[in-house]
Amino acid sequence: GAVVSQHPSWVICKSGTSVKIECRSLDFQATTMFWYRQFPKQSLMLMATSNEGSKATYEQGVEKDKFLINHASLTLSTLTVTSAHPEDSSFYICSASSPSWEGTAGEQFFGPGTRLTVL
Amino acid sequence: GESVGLHLPTLSVQEGDNSIINCAYSNSASDYFIWYKQESGKGPQFIIDIRSNMDKRQGQRVTVLLNKTVKHLSLQIAATQPGDSAVYFCAENKAGGFKTIFGAGTRLFVKA
Repeated sequence: GAVVSQHPSWVICKSGTSVKIECRSLDFQATTMFWYRQFPKQSLMLMATSNEGSKATYEQGVEKDKFLINHASLTLSTLTVTSAHPEDSSFYICSASSPSWEGTAGEQFFGPGTRLTVL
Repeated sequence: GESVGLHLPTLSVQEGDNSIINCAYSNSASDYFIWYKQESGKGPQFIIDIRSNMDKRQGQRVTVLLNKTVKHLSLQIAATQPGDSAVYFCAENKAGGFKTIFGAGTRLFVKA
Protein backbone atom coordinates (compact mmCIF):
# COMPACT_ATOMS: atom_id res chain seq x y z
CA GLY A 1 0.00 0.00 0.00
CA ALA A 2 0.87 3.64 -0.22
CA VAL A 3 3.30 4.90 2.39
CA VAL A 4 3.40 8.35 3.90
CA SER A 5 6.18 9.40 6.21
CA GLN A 6 6.59 12.33 8.57
CA HIS A 7 9.67 13.91 10.00
CA PRO A 8 10.39 14.42 12.77
CA SER A 9 8.31 11.93 14.72
CA TRP A 10 8.57 14.14 17.76
CA VAL A 11 10.00 17.55 18.55
CA ILE A 12 10.41 19.67 21.64
CA CYS A 13 11.00 23.37 21.22
CA LYS A 14 11.04 26.56 23.20
CA SER A 15 8.20 29.02 23.08
CA GLY A 16 8.65 31.56 20.32
CA THR A 17 10.62 29.34 17.97
CA SER A 18 9.40 27.92 14.67
CA VAL A 19 9.15 24.25 13.87
CA LYS A 20 8.95 22.61 10.46
CA ILE A 21 7.29 19.25 9.93
CA GLU A 22 7.73 17.32 6.70
CA CYS A 23 5.25 14.98 5.09
CA ARG A 24 6.38 12.74 2.26
CA SER A 25 4.59 10.28 0.02
CA LEU A 26 7.17 7.59 -0.53
CA ASP A 27 5.80 5.51 -3.37
CA PHE A 28 3.24 7.66 -5.11
CA GLN A 29 2.71 11.20 -6.23
CA ALA A 30 0.33 13.09 -4.02
CA THR A 31 -1.41 15.98 -5.69
CA THR A 32 -3.28 16.70 -2.49
CA MET A 33 -2.07 16.53 1.07
CA PHE A 34 -3.93 17.28 4.26
CA TRP A 35 -2.77 18.44 7.64
CA TYR A 36 -4.59 17.51 10.83
CA ARG A 37 -3.98 18.22 14.46
CA GLN A 38 -5.12 16.04 17.29
CA PHE A 39 -5.26 16.91 20.97
CA PRO A 40 -5.16 14.14 23.58
CA LYS A 41 -8.27 11.99 23.65
CA GLN A 42 -9.81 13.98 20.83
CA SER A 43 -10.48 13.44 17.17
CA LEU A 44 -8.46 14.62 14.21
CA MET A 45 -9.27 18.15 13.20
CA LEU A 46 -8.54 19.14 9.62
CA MET A 47 -6.33 22.22 9.49
CA ALA A 48 -5.72 22.68 5.80
CA THR A 49 -5.74 21.12 2.37
CA SER A 50 -2.57 21.48 0.36
CA ASN A 51 -2.40 21.13 -3.40
CA GLU A 52 0.89 20.87 -5.20
CA GLY A 53 1.95 24.17 -6.69
CA SER A 54 -0.82 26.26 -5.21
CA LYS A 55 -1.72 27.92 -1.94
CA ALA A 56 -3.16 25.83 0.82
CA THR A 57 -6.82 26.07 1.76
CA TYR A 58 -7.23 26.56 5.48
CA GLU A 59 -10.19 25.49 7.57
CA GLN A 60 -12.14 28.06 9.46
CA GLY A 61 -10.36 29.15 12.61
CA VAL A 62 -6.89 28.05 11.50
CA GLU A 63 -4.43 30.92 11.23
CA LYS A 64 -2.62 30.70 7.93
CA ASP A 65 0.17 32.98 9.11
CA LYS A 66 0.69 30.76 12.12
CA PHE A 67 0.67 27.47 10.28
CA LEU A 68 2.57 27.87 7.04
CA ILE A 69 2.04 25.11 4.52
CA ASN A 70 4.16 24.53 1.46
CA HIS A 71 3.52 21.81 -1.11
CA ALA A 72 6.39 22.36 -3.48
CA SER A 73 6.50 18.92 -5.06
CA LEU A 74 4.24 15.94 -5.63
CA THR A 75 5.91 14.03 -2.81
CA LEU A 76 6.52 16.67 -0.16
CA SER A 77 4.44 19.03 1.91
CA THR A 78 5.71 20.95 4.92
CA LEU A 79 3.94 22.51 7.85
CA THR A 80 5.76 25.23 9.74
CA VAL A 81 4.43 26.25 13.11
CA THR A 82 5.66 29.80 13.51
CA SER A 83 6.35 31.40 16.89
CA ALA A 84 5.15 28.29 18.64
CA HIS A 85 3.49 28.53 22.03
CA PRO A 86 2.56 25.86 24.56
CA GLU A 87 -1.02 25.80 23.28
CA ASP A 88 0.33 24.65 19.90
CA SER A 89 1.53 21.44 21.53
CA SER A 90 -0.33 18.69 19.75
CA PHE A 91 -0.08 15.65 17.52
CA TYR A 92 0.16 16.75 13.90
CA ILE A 93 -0.79 14.24 11.25
CA CYS A 94 -0.59 14.54 7.49
CA SER A 95 -2.29 12.50 4.84
CA ALA A 96 -1.92 12.25 1.10
CA SER A 97 -4.18 11.34 -1.75
CA SER A 98 -3.85 11.06 -5.48
CA PRO A 99 -6.81 11.35 -7.81
CA SER A 100 -5.01 9.52 -10.58
CA TRP A 101 -5.67 6.15 -9.00
CA GLU A 102 -8.65 4.35 -10.47
CA GLY A 103 -11.56 4.35 -8.09
CA THR A 104 -9.64 5.96 -5.27
CA ALA A 105 -11.33 9.31 -5.10
CA GLY A 106 -11.45 10.22 -1.42
CA GLU A 107 -8.91 7.67 -0.24
CA GLN A 108 -6.23 9.06 1.97
CA PHE A 109 -3.08 7.56 3.37
CA PHE A 110 -1.93 8.84 6.70
CA GLY A 111 1.48 9.52 8.08
CA PRO A 112 2.55 8.32 11.52
CA GLY A 113 2.19 11.76 13.07
CA THR A 114 4.53 14.25 14.72
CA ARG A 115 4.31 14.99 18.42
CA LEU A 116 5.08 18.68 19.06
CA THR A 117 5.75 19.85 22.58
CA VAL A 118 6.32 23.55 23.14
CA LEU A 119 7.91 24.46 26.44
CA GLY B 1 -21.83 22.81 11.77
CA GLU B 2 -21.92 19.46 10.05
CA SER B 3 -20.21 16.69 11.89
CA VAL B 4 -19.81 13.02 12.23
CA GLY B 5 -20.38 11.78 15.75
CA LEU B 6 -20.39 8.63 17.78
CA HIS B 7 -22.86 7.30 20.29
CA LEU B 8 -20.38 5.67 22.66
CA PRO B 9 -17.04 7.11 23.70
CA THR B 10 -15.76 3.80 25.13
CA LEU B 11 -16.54 0.16 24.56
CA SER B 12 -15.25 -2.77 26.58
CA VAL B 13 -15.61 -6.30 25.22
CA GLN B 14 -14.38 -9.73 26.15
CA GLU B 15 -11.80 -11.34 23.91
CA GLY B 16 -13.54 -13.50 21.36
CA ASP B 17 -16.80 -11.58 21.46
CA ASN B 18 -18.06 -9.43 18.62
CA SER B 19 -17.75 -5.65 18.83
CA ILE B 20 -20.09 -3.10 17.34
CA ILE B 21 -19.06 0.52 17.11
CA ASN B 22 -21.67 3.03 15.99
CA CYS B 23 -21.46 6.37 14.28
CA ALA B 24 -23.97 9.00 13.19
CA TYR B 25 -23.35 11.48 10.43
CA SER B 26 -25.29 14.58 9.58
CA ASN B 27 -24.32 15.47 6.02
CA SER B 28 -26.63 13.76 3.57
CA ALA B 29 -24.32 14.87 0.74
CA SER B 30 -21.52 12.60 1.95
CA ASP B 31 -21.07 9.61 -0.31
CA TYR B 32 -18.00 7.89 1.03
CA PHE B 33 -17.42 6.65 4.54
CA ILE B 34 -14.35 5.20 6.14
CA TRP B 35 -13.46 3.52 9.40
CA TYR B 36 -10.01 4.09 10.83
CA LYS B 37 -8.16 2.50 13.70
CA GLN B 38 -5.69 4.56 15.68
CA GLU B 39 -3.27 3.12 18.17
CA SER B 40 -1.64 5.32 20.76
CA GLY B 41 0.94 7.66 19.27
CA LYS B 42 0.32 6.57 15.69
CA GLY B 43 -1.53 7.86 12.67
CA PRO B 44 -4.93 6.48 11.63
CA GLN B 45 -4.94 3.14 9.89
CA PHE B 46 -7.53 2.38 7.22
CA ILE B 47 -9.84 -0.48 8.14
CA ILE B 48 -12.70 -0.52 5.69
CA ASP B 49 -14.73 1.86 3.58
CA ILE B 50 -18.12 1.99 1.99
CA ARG B 51 -19.75 4.13 -0.64
CA SER B 52 -23.28 5.44 -0.41
CA ASN B 53 -24.55 3.10 -3.13
CA MET B 54 -23.98 0.17 -0.78
CA ASP B 55 -25.42 -0.71 2.61
CA LYS B 56 -22.98 -3.39 3.66
CA ARG B 57 -19.39 -4.26 3.01
CA GLN B 58 -17.32 -7.02 4.51
CA GLY B 59 -13.63 -7.35 5.06
CA GLN B 60 -11.51 -9.68 7.05
CA ARG B 61 -13.26 -9.94 10.44
CA VAL B 62 -14.84 -6.53 9.90
CA THR B 63 -18.14 -5.44 8.43
CA VAL B 64 -19.39 -1.94 7.83
CA LEU B 65 -23.08 -1.22 7.65
CA LEU B 66 -24.52 1.98 6.24
CA ASN B 67 -28.07 3.14 6.84
CA LYS B 68 -28.60 6.25 4.80
CA THR B 69 -32.18 6.65 5.96
CA VAL B 70 -31.08 7.43 9.49
CA LYS B 71 -27.54 8.51 8.59
CA HIS B 72 -25.91 5.79 10.63
CA LEU B 73 -22.74 3.77 10.24
CA SER B 74 -21.54 0.84 12.21
CA LEU B 75 -18.37 -1.18 12.37
CA GLN B 76 -18.62 -4.78 13.42
CA ILE B 77 -15.52 -6.65 14.49
CA ALA B 78 -15.86 -10.40 14.75
CA ALA B 79 -14.00 -12.42 17.36
CA THR B 80 -12.41 -9.35 18.88
CA GLN B 81 -8.75 -9.78 19.81
CA PRO B 82 -6.49 -7.88 22.21
CA GLY B 83 -4.76 -6.37 19.20
CA ASP B 84 -8.02 -4.71 18.26
CA SER B 85 -7.76 -2.43 21.30
CA ALA B 86 -7.49 1.08 19.90
CA VAL B 87 -9.54 4.16 19.13
CA TYR B 88 -11.84 3.80 16.16
CA PHE B 89 -12.95 6.75 14.08
CA CYS B 90 -15.59 6.94 11.45
CA ALA B 91 -15.04 9.54 8.78
CA GLU B 92 -17.04 10.97 5.95
CA ASN B 93 -16.05 12.36 2.63
CA LYS B 94 -18.23 14.86 0.88
CA ALA B 95 -19.34 14.18 -2.63
CA GLY B 96 -16.95 15.51 -5.24
CA GLY B 97 -14.28 16.40 -2.73
CA PHE B 98 -11.31 14.87 -1.01
CA LYS B 99 -11.75 16.44 2.39
CA THR B 100 -12.33 13.86 5.09
CA ILE B 101 -14.12 14.81 8.29
CA PHE B 102 -13.55 12.65 11.33
CA GLY B 103 -16.01 11.70 14.02
CA ALA B 104 -15.30 11.88 17.75
CA GLY B 105 -13.90 8.36 18.14
CA THR B 106 -14.64 5.32 20.29
CA ARG B 107 -12.03 3.67 22.44
CA LEU B 108 -12.29 -0.11 22.30
CA PHE B 109 -10.93 -2.11 25.23
CA VAL B 110 -10.56 -5.84 24.77
CA LYS B 111 -10.43 -7.83 28.00
CA ALA B 112 -8.43 -11.02 27.91
